[in-house]
Formats: sequence, structure tokens, C-alpha cells
Amino acid sequence: DAKTTQPNSMESNEEEPVHLPCNHSTISGTDYIHWYRQLPSQGPEYVIHGLTSNVNNRMASLAIAEDRKSSTLILHRATLRDAAVYYCILRDSGSTGYALNFGKGTSLLVTP
Amino acid sequence: KAGVTQTPRYLIKTRGQQVTLSCSPISGHRSVSWYQQTPGQGLQFLFEYFSETQRNKGNFPGRFSGRQFSNSRSEMNVSTLELGDSALYLCASSLAPGSGTNEQFFGPGTRLTVL
Repeated sequence: DAKTTQPNSMESNEEEPVHLPCNHSTISGTDYIHWYRQLPSQGPEYVIHGLTSNVNNRMASLAIAEDRKSSTLILHRATLRDAAVYYCILRDSGSTGYALNFGKGTSLLVTP
Repeated sequence: KAGVTQTPRYLIKTRGQQVTLSCSPISGHRSVSWYQQTPGQGLQFLFEYFSETQRNKGNFPGRFSGRQFSNSRSEMNVSTLELGDSALYLCASSLAPGSGTNEQFFGPGTRLTVL
């Protein structure tokens, strides 16, 4: 799978929007962009994924650049519960396995 | 619907011993993957099983092994434990072998400490 680059850490105030960037300049046309997050003392949990178009679900929105070389995970109103490590992962649509390459992720701190 | 369960949650072993960790996937899920998480290396893929067959394996020594049973439950075994094996071991389940879109559901992990 192609590599992603994320900032090591970000900070946000509670109830404000948070934009978490991810660069994936070597993405291929068949790579899906997945986001997972890991809350303290828990296993990772799926957040959202997309291919080309922007995506929304109850947890977050995913904005994908037109050239697909970058994407942004948007938390519309950060809560203290959103403090976690966020991982941006590329998954080949032709992949036959579930080996996720997590990388280092972005540690999000949410302050009251 | 119950989530992924892992037992035990915490384990302390000494160097040279072996350990077996267990994972029960979400009902109906047939694919199980294992990951190791350490502060230095982060989350690293160990192996994936589907229909009792290992489909993928990460870059870990042969001391790390696993298996899957006909009810999709999985176990992983680490023999001749080393201090560096101290980690959080995470199990994840999915409906079927991966495509680019399927998501994985993770358990809470087993915290292994090797003394």
C-alpha cells in the first residue's frame, strides 16, 4: 500500500471544528482512503473511508482533494471524547487481505 | 451484537515462556487479523486468517504463530518470549476477506508484559 504522511499532533478547543490533514502523494487510482482512530486504552475504531468524492457519516466528513494526493478528516464539533490518535490509511481495492498499515497517526488533543 | 472479545485482557510472563492469546470475532465475521502495538513501533500487522487458513503474514519471526478454528475464533501463540514482546496485542474481525472498502472491528486487546 502507498504511504501516508500526517502531522504528529494537533490541538483543538472543545466544540470547534477540527481538520486533520493527510498527504498521500503516491496514491494509486485503486486506493481507498480510510481513517481509523484509537481512543486511549482502546483498540482502533473505523471512522470513515472514501475513494474520490467527499463522504459524510455520523462521526465525521472526509474531504478528498481533486488530484487525490491529500485528504482531510473533518470533525465538525470536537468533544473531549474525540481526543485520540487518528490514522489515515490507504487500502487497495484489489487487496485480498486486511493488513492495515497504520503509520504513526496524528494525536489529537481536545481542550475544554 | 457483541463486539470482538479478547482473553485474557492482561498477562504477565517471564522470558523463555510461551503464551497463547484468544480472540472471538463478531458473530458472522469470518476474517480475523492480529496486530502488535508497542510505543516504539506503533501498530504492526502480524497475520490474518480466513476459513482456518492464514492469508497474510507480517514481518515477524517464526516464534509468532496463529490459527483459526471452524467457528472463526482465533488464537495466537508466542513461543520463547523475549522482553521486546511486551506489547498490546489487538485482534480485529471483518465479514470476509478484504477489499479496499471493508472495515475492521477491533477488540480491546491483550496487554502482555514479559519480565
